[in-house]
Amino acid sequence: GQNIDQPTEMTATEGAIVQINCTYQTSGFNGLFWYQQHAGEAPTFLSYNVLDGLEEKGRFSSFLSRSKGYSYLLLKELQMKDSASYLCAVRDSNYQLIWGAGTKLIIKP
Amino acid sequence: GAVVSQHPSRVICKSGTSVKIECRSLDFQATTMFWYRQFPKQSLMLMATSNEGSKATYEQGVEKDKFLINHASLTLSTLTVTSAHPEDSSFYICSAFRGTMNTEAFFGQGTRLTVV
Repeated sequence: GQNIDQPTEMTATEGAIVQINCTYQTSGFNGLFWYQQHAGEAPTFLSYNVLDGLEEKGRFSSFLSRSKGYSYLLLKELQMKDSASYLCAVRDSNYQLIWGAGTKLIIKP
Repeated sequence: GAVVSQHPSRVICKSGTSVKIECRSLDFQATTMFWYRQFPKQSLMLMATSNEGSKATYEQGVEKDKFLINHASLTLSTLTVTSAHPEDSSFYICSAFRGTMNTEAFFGQGTRLTVV
């Protein structure tokens, strides 16, 4: 079966760095996405990785290792507004998005 | 700004009535749109894939006659929840990919449906 695993919840301090991991097992691979979702709102696109390596976008970076079925989202200089759920999703061979359950990130002052 | 617009953002309806939710791509054409449902504290569940000019593809367990999808143009897909029941209360979200490489997926704002 297809499976996306990510931690349920993480806590970090304002101004610090946090890494959210995602491991996946899917039928084929056509890219991995990270989304941010605030409570009661729709997800917001953060990043897309299809090749191995690190993609950097401001305070957010995303890494992919296809051989390991592994990705992480790195958030630097954490701000209170970064408190949200972070969803990892993999697009499989049928171009369907397979979603992780999301990681709730709690930022403390 | 938003590239996928969904309307309405919130709706309360009586049990047994129907509700239509619209999803529009604002500055690009989307031959395919996706409809999701999300229950509290759970991840997104794909309900159906909406294809412009043809029938939608429904996921297993999703009732086609209850969740009617119409994708009449390259920028508009609609989801109609027919004969709504309280258990249909949920957060419904549409999305579409933008870009020739289909690398950017954007979501509508979501619709909070409450059936009373």
